[in-house]
Amino acid sequence: GESVGLHLPTLSVQEGDNSIINCAYSNSASDYFIWYKQESGKGPQFIIDIRSNMDKRQGQRVTVLLNKTVKHLSLQIAATQPGDSAVYFCADISGGYQKVTFGTGTKLQVIP
Amino acid sequence: GAVVSQHPSRVICKSGTSVKIECRSLDFQATTMFWYRQFPKQSLMLMATSNEGSKATYEQGVEKDKFLINHASLTLSTLTVTSAHPEDSSFYICSAILPQGASYEQYFGPGTRLTVT
Repeated sequence: GESVGLHLPTLSVQEGDNSIINCAYSNSASDYFIWYKQESGKGPQFIIDIRSNMDKRQGQRVTVLLNKTVKHLSLQIAATQPGDSAVYFCADISGGYQKVTFGTGTKLQVIP
Repeated sequence: GAVVSQHPSRVICKSGTSVKIECRSLDFQATTMFWYRQFPKQSLMLMATSNEGSKATYEQGVEKDKFLINHASLTLSTLTVTSAHPEDSSFYICSAILPQGASYEQYFGPGTRLTVT
């Protein structure tokens, strides 16, 4: 994805609802994708990854969907909790895992 | 899981001085570490790839003489911001790759907040 962002888009979700965060990437050679969560003043934390030969992967309360045709990635969070409030970045990896490109990021606000 | 630490977590320095930031992989060896900078409300921008025992590879637009990177051991990489100016104020984050079977997870440090006055 393009790591250029002047303002983070914000997604506001009611506690308990499901959240869907989207990401577009541009490098068709990317073969590995990761979603990260970043809380204020901290480094990114790994959430879930997916390889390009898959279109869906599930984790605990999270699901990542990959659509290579339109170069689109999404992160679904089930039963969103206040602790899920953070900025979420997608990253696409290419070049033998040496080139990581971060997306713009989406700020998730969970309303109690 | 693997842990990456950074030191210091926050630093304030005067314009014209140099600042060194350390990145350590605490429980694994990292032949490759990455340095990023992040401005408020923006994404992470890769600055350089730090390879143990060799010169770092800098991204386009990043001044290698200003941002000195040294990766002298398998657990330590340092970033020195030389002759810092207020525009260098940013959040600097390092990461290290830990190959784990079929995965290739990148672990991030907690970041260093640099403020240049």
